[in-house]
Amino acid sequence: GDSVTQMEGPVTLSEEAFLTINCTYTATGYPSLFWYVQYPGEGLQLLLKATKADDKGSNKGFEATYRKETTSFHLEKGSVQVSDSAVYFCALRTGSGGGADGLTFGKGTHLIIQP
Amino acid sequence: GAVVSQHPSWVICKSGTSVKIECRSLDFQATTMFWYRQFPKQSLMLMATSNEGSKATYEQGVEKDKFLINHASLTLSTLTVTSAHPEDSSFYICSARDYFGTTGLVGRGEQFFGPGTRLTVL
Repeated sequence: GDSVTQMEGPVTLSEEAFLTINCTYTATGYPSLFWYVQYPGEGLQLLLKATKADDKGSNKGFEATYRKETTSFHLEKGSVQVSDSAVYFCALRTGSGGGADGLTFGKGTHLIIQP
Repeated sequence: GAVVSQHPSWVICKSGTSVKIECRSLDFQATTMFWYRQFPKQSLMLMATSNEGSKATYEQGVEKDKFLINHASLTLSTLTVTSAHPEDSSFYICSARDYFGTTGLVGRGEQFFGPGTRLTVL
């Protein structure tokens, strides 16, 4: 079945450091790939997505490129801020729509940014 | 926009009782809602897909008679945990799919998540 593997945390960085959170996947067909972020006490929020190979999703300074050859979707940010502290989830969806498009999630990576 | 609420945010109940959790899309219509379960330090696991006006589709291994789902309107889905037992204690999260793109082009077709409900069964 489908699965998502992401690096386990917590990941602790200093403010303005470069961030990479690795994510690899196993899926049948051609999945869409997502990064969600969960801030303390809040629900998951869609951060960015990519729907086909070589697509780059970007939002709020975060980027991730859909790499089909390495089945990866690593999340990167050039300069992190304290406000980026949260749990980040990599996810995929293989359904084409209708009811068959629930998400498969990784375990989440807790990111802690220190001033 | 794209706000999904859940009620209650936490609930404690006795073993053998039933608990209902509500999931509402506050500013958009959702023909499809999803229910997930999250164990501590684990990923979210899809339990079922709830379609407005029809029966829910359950993932393999999820007991449909134990986890009753009703999606009576385009903005409300409910999950009822029947005859709850301590092993049902978990964090339950719903999401609503913005099929019509009410939240904008980026959100069209994507899922927006509620804040979750912590269920503790004694």
